[in-house]
Amino acid sequence: QQPVQSPQAVILREGEDAVINCSSSKALYSVHWYRQKHGEAPVFLMILLKGGEQKGHDKISASFNEKKQQSSLYLTASQLSYSGTYFCGTGGRGGMIKAAGNKLTFGGGTRVLVKP
Amino acid sequence: DVKVTQSSRYLVKRTGEKVFLECVQDMDHENMFWYRQDPGLGLRLIYFSYDVKMKEKGDIPEGYSVSREKKERFSLILESASTNQTSMYLCATSGSSETQYFGPGTRLLVL
Repeated sequence: QQPVQSPQAVILREGEDAVINCSSSKALYSVHWYRQKHGEAPVFLMILLKGGEQKGHDKISASFNEKKQQSSLYLTASQLSYSGTYFCGTGGRGGMIKAAGNKLTFGGGTRVLVKP
Repeated sequence: DVKVTQSSRYLVKRTGEKVFLECVQDMDHENMFWYRQDPGLGLRLIYFSYDVKMKEKGDIPEGYSVSREKKERFSLILESASTNQTSMYLCATSGSSETQYFGPGTRLLVL
């Protein structure tokens, strides 16, 4: 079952902050965040593992709440380059079973537009 | 850097045609994936492969098949294309970690 992302879209002015949530109905072991700019391939931003620390990538950070089965992505002091669609992907138990293929289940995406 | 290439950026096909989409990676990754991307639905997994000649169904395999004869190459086949298969198709690969590396995508239009 796909994780649910919210909001579906957000419009920001440069310098504003935003939060994107990713909620799962199943227990989470890992959450991956990707960003896809218009016309380009999705690009990996960061991974959060169960029991791991909050991660950061420039002024984009993320947290992982095991109890709530949710991850949140924080866009701080947003820049024009942050525009794109953000996807969360939920993983399995570290891909120890080869047939699992380390597959991820992605959410529906959150479109972010940062305006000057 | 991982490089994932897809055979075409844009394709236009007629209903009923057999369509081949090809994906090639240069990083010796074991795992390869095919997704389709539709507005509001995100990335949905069609098939994946964790080894040569091995394949597993994803969440939406109906109407598709795959082939992996060599480690670096993973093909998606639409046996008889239909208009509801008009979409963006993305290939991805991963190695020992779960991090996936995506190709540029193929935008397929079925008329």
